[in-house]
Amino acid sequence: KAGVTQTPRYLIKTRGQQVTLSCSPISGHRSVSWYQQTPGQGLQFLFEYFSETQRNKGNFPGRFSGRQFSNSRSEMNVSTLELGDSALYLCASSLAGRGFTEAFFGQGTRLTVV
Amino acid sequence: AQSVTQPDIHITVSEGASLELRCNYSYGATPYLFWYVQSPGQGLQLLLKYFSGDTLVQGIKGFEAEFKRSQSSFNLRKPSVHWSDAAEYFCAVVTGTASKLTFGTGTRLQVTL
Repeated sequence: KAGVTQTPRYLIKTRGQQVTLSCSPISGHRSVSWYQQTPGQGLQFLFEYFSETQRNKGNFPGRFSGRQFSNSRSEMNVSTLELGDSALYLCASSLAGRGFTEAFFGQGTRLTVV
Repeated sequence: AQSVTQPDIHITVSEGASLELRCNYSYGATPYLFWYVQSPGQGLQLLLKYFSGDTLVQGIKGFEAEFKRSQSSFNLRKPSVHWSDAAEYFCAVVTGTASKLTFGTGTRLQVTL
């Protein structure tokens, strides 16, 4: 069974630009969550989508947004990029209907903002 | 709010030696508990999980963890470390009806030959 696939693996963007990251969950998984990982702040929860609806949101500015499609694939978008947005962005998928089940992570997208 | 503490930022052990990585959580009820491992530049791999039942859980790669409610701990152990175990290890919790993971700051494991 294929794992969680994140594309692209690496991105370099300029301040002020916007970026879209993609995540394809494990087949049959309906929940997709996004996390930001930085050396200073560690792993922080961005948001979670389940059945195309945002079910949970972390404490990030509105520049960070996401969506989920009917096939459970998810995208996250960051607008007006800042240098501090440089991070590893990780996507996790889980079955997660009622309650929580274990989450499986992708390899991540390394975003560098210059 | 729930929190996770991993008091050891960096641990060095010799290959073949035993390992224990500490994890403490702060939450009123029993959370769901996880250990993940991350190699440089890679994503997170689930090592093991505790939801309920037997407090000693077995995971992949020979790891195990013990949930101790009285100490609010979920320490990760391995009887004999291999050089390939060098990586960063994260403890995480999910509490209540939330569907998000709260992670500790991680412990970087170095293995000497």
